[in-house]
Amino acid sequence: GAVVSQHPSRVICKSGTSVKIECRSLDFQATTMFWYRQFPKQSLMLMATSNEGSKATYEQGVEKDKFLINHASLTLSTLTVTSAHPEDSSFYICSARDRLSLNTEAFFGQGTRLTVV
Amino acid sequence: GQQLNQSPQSMFIQEGEDVSMNCTSSSIFNTWLWYKQDPGEGPVLLIALYKAGELTSNGRLTAQFGITRKDSFLNISASIPSDVGIYFCAGLNFKTSYDKVIFGPGTSLSVIP
Repeated sequence: GAVVSQHPSRVICKSGTSVKIECRSLDFQATTMFWYRQFPKQSLMLMATSNEGSKATYEQGVEKDKFLINHASLTLSTLTVTSAHPEDSSFYICSARDRLSLNTEAFFGQGTRLTVV
Repeated sequence: GQQLNQSPQSMFIQEGEDVSMNCTSSSIFNTWLWYKQDPGEGPVLLIALYKAGELTSNGRLTAQFGITRKDSFLNISASIPSDVGIYFCAGLNFKTSYDKVIFGPGTSLSVIP
């Protein structure tokens, strides 16, 4: 159980275009989903926390107009990178918590490698 | 803000050897998590710890939640080549569903056959 799926796993886009990344909890309901960004050989940096049906909470320094997050249902959150630039190229990872579980661990998707050319 | 430190930063060991890595925090957590990440993949949860002093095993892996709640360690016994990867500790203070999982910088493990 506790499977989180991300799509796509890799995407290459042109500078100036927008890219949408999906994060789904496949076998549980996730009230909260988290979006992380990871640069090569570095740790995961939290970008934002999204709760179903409400606006996302962004970490300091993360542009909310550039990284649009929608959490429309208990099993789906999306991250849209708008007007992408080469410096947005990174590994984006989502995670989710099972709202019915008494435990508090977070399960991660397989990540999305974004390359902006 | 809350920060985690992991040591060592990297390690090269011979297959069959035991491994120990450590995670310390500047503040208290009530949950400690250990993840392993393979290249190009998302982190996979190895062990979750919920109580100070708790010692938990998962196969060849053993982790402990420090008594002070500011540290945790992960041991891997009899290492094998597939143990290669980046090991992240993560801390969490569970109060509401908004709580964040804070990651350490990671320990890179290489196993020499």
